[in-house]
Amino acid sequence: EVQLVESGGGLVKPGGSLRLSCAASGFTFSNYAMSWVRQAPGRGLEWVSFITDSAGSTYYADSVRGRFTISRDNSKNTLYLQMHSLRAEDTAVYYCAKGKGMIVASWGQGTLVTVSS
Amino acid sequence: NFMLTQPHSVSESPGKTVTISCTRSSGSIASKYVQWYQQRPGSAPTTVIFETNQRPSGIPDRFSGSIDSSSNSASLTISGLKTEDEADYYCQSYDSTYQVFGGGTKLTVL
Repeated sequence: EVQLVESGGGLVKPGGSLRLSCAASGFTFSNYAMSWVRQAPGRGLEWVSFITDSAGSTYYADSVRGRFTISRDNSKNTLYLQMHSLRAEDTAVYYCAKGKGMIVASWGQGTLVTVSS
Repeated sequence: NFMLTQPHSVSESPGKTVTISCTRSSGSIASKYVQWYQQRPGSAPTTVIFETNQRPSGIPDRFSGSIDSSSNSASLTISGLKTEDEADYYCQSYDSTYQVFGGGTKLTVL
């Protein structure tokens, strides 16, 4: 069974940094692309970032490019999202997602990031 | 980048059939696969349709997906509606370097 468990969320001040992690199990992590998708309170889903299976390519939404960095450690079956220069509008539940390329197939339960002074 | 537009809400009675549309703003809807996700209140999304018309294991055949090139739209059809189908539904597609989600449709089964 695919399991994706996010961690690292919390309360951070504007301008601060946070690193999210996603521990994957139940599948061969190194064979799959992964994505981060977020959902602001009461809003819809928003794609944040994507990384290929080998980490050879990464892509970002315009709203986070230059502030967020996606990475992965295939030896630890873990996906990361390093977030810098956080803004109030980054407040959201962040979901880790297993992909078939750009197709999101499985979702984690999410971790809440709150940016507030 | 293209956009995906969904109706904000739809409602139907139990046992009936409902269709949720997802219209692509530019480029052909048929150029990339479309996915559909169900999100019940307080829960993470789950995949109900992938690759336009494929169901993951465990998703009943009451759920089906299709595209209509004439309207440049994808559709999610749910037949034999059950109260448990009440949820938000999101369509998703992509290009080579980005993903796009529709704004979501709230399905009320009353």
